[in-house]
Amino acid sequence: GAVVSQHPSRVICKSGTSVKIECRSLDFQATTMFWYRQFPKKSLMLMATSNEGSKATYEQGVEKDKFLINHASLTLSTLTVTSAHPEDSSFYICSARVSGGSNQPQHFGDGTRLSIL
Amino acid sequence: QKEVEQNSGPLSVPEGAIASLNCTYSDRGSQSFFWYRQYSGKSPELIMSIYSNGDKEDGRFTAQLNKASQYVSLLIRDSQPSDSATYLCAVNSPAAGNKLTFGGGTRVLVKP
Repeated sequence: GAVVSQHPSRVICKSGTSVKIECRSLDFQATTMFWYRQFPKKSLMLMATSNEGSKATYEQGVEKDKFLINHASLTLSTLTVTSAHPEDSSFYICSARVSGGSNQPQHFGDGTRLSIL
Repeated sequence: QKEVEQNSGPLSVPEGAIASLNCTYSDRGSQSFFWYRQYSGKSPELIMSIYSNGDKEDGRFTAQLNKASQYVSLLIRDSQPSDSATYLCAVNSPAAGNKLTFGGGTRVLVKP
C-alpha cells in the first residue's frame, strides 16, 4: 500500500520551456503532498507543501511564480516549472502523506530528473 | 547546529554483519521519526517509523529511539550487498511547522 506515482521520470528540454510534473497517490488519499528538490550527493530540500483545495506553502527562497503547484484533488498534485533554465536542472521528488495527522509518514514518488539544455 | 545530524560515512560493513546508523536531532518537541533508504539515482523509500522510546523491529531492521537523548538509530542485521545505499533519518519537527527535516544521510557499503 501507500504507492505514489510520479510522471514523467525524465525530461530533457530546451531553455525557456515549461515543464509539468504530476504526482499521484494511487491507493490512498493525501490531503497533503510535498515537493522536494535534490542535487547530486545532497539531501532533500523541501520546496513547497501542497494542500488539497488551497494554495501551496512555499519554503523561503523558492519562487512561487517559477514553481507553480496545483493540488486539485485528494490524489493529484502537479508542479510546473515555468520558463525553465539550466539552473533548474535537478532531481524533483514528490511525496504524499497518509491522512491521519502530521505524524504519519511520507511516501515518495520515483522522482523526475529534469535536464534543461 | 544542524536540526538533524547523521554521519555521512561511508560506513563499510562486511556481508552478514550488523550495520549501526545514528541520528541526533535538535527539536525536543519532535514526536515521529523515520528512516528512509535511498539508492543512488532513486527516490527515498520508507523503511521504518518509530514514535515511542525503545526498540522497534521489522525483519532485519531495528529502530531505536531515545527522546531524552534526542537520538534515533537504525540497526541492519545480516547486512547484504543489496543494503548498500544512503540511509536518511527524518524527523517530524513541530518547530519547523510539522514538516519532515532530513539528515544529510549515511552512505552504507556492504562488502561481500
